[in-house]
Amino acid sequence: GQQVMQIPQYQHVQEGEDFTTYCNSSTTLSNIQWYKQRPGGHPVFLIQLVKSGEVKKQKRLTFQFGEAKKNSSLHITATQTTDVGTYFCAGPSRDTGFQKLVFGTGTRLLVSP
Amino acid sequence: NAGVTQTPKFQVLKTGQSMTLQCAQDMNHNSMYWYRQDPGMGLRLIYYSASEGTTDKGEVPNGYNVSRLNKREFSLRLESAAPSQTSVYFCASRGSGRGETQYFGPGTRLLVL
Repeated sequence: GQQVMQIPQYQHVQEGEDFTTYCNSSTTLSNIQWYKQRPGGHPVFLIQLVKSGEVKKQKRLTFQFGEAKKNSSLHITATQTTDVGTYFCAGPSRDTGFQKLVFGTGTRLLVSP
Repeated sequence: NAGVTQTPKFQVLKTGQSMTLQCAQDMNHNSMYWYRQDPGMGLRLIYYSASEGTTDKGEVPNGYNVSRLNKREFSLRLESAAPSQTSVYFCASRGSGRGETQYFGPGTRLLVL
């Protein structure tokens, strides 16, 4: 079945350093979504990318969707302690008529002041 | 709008006890989902309901049952709880269309002794 992997699983950075997480799908995706989960919280939608090669920015966060629509990345410039959490990518499952989202394994980010 | 609400927030059960987790959404969404998240792990889909009156199994349905009571409500039942079901349970909902994102409830933290 469709699988979505993320690397790294965990990263610890000093405040001000940059951070990148990579997402790879075993199949082509119609779109890719990114979610953030703060410690003790629930996943919250960040952004959706639809087009091949698409790049979107949200302040210090830059999201990219690969040309083949099988991979994506999230880059945070100059991390802050508020960026702490787990970042998940997710893509719709073709097997269920796009009813389900297949979530990536997540990257946990810890930022030290 | 309350979004997605879940009750209870916390629950402790003894092995063999039963309970029902409640979920409701006020966004008029067609699709609803139940996930479990074990410590330090990603999200695993238990069951989902693409529309009122339909339910389908996800990755880890064993030991659970669901009911889509109406368009707003989707409940998850543990008939005979086991320690392996200790987890955080998230309910989510999604509107129509391929690109619609999922909105998560705050979660229910369940401990089975």
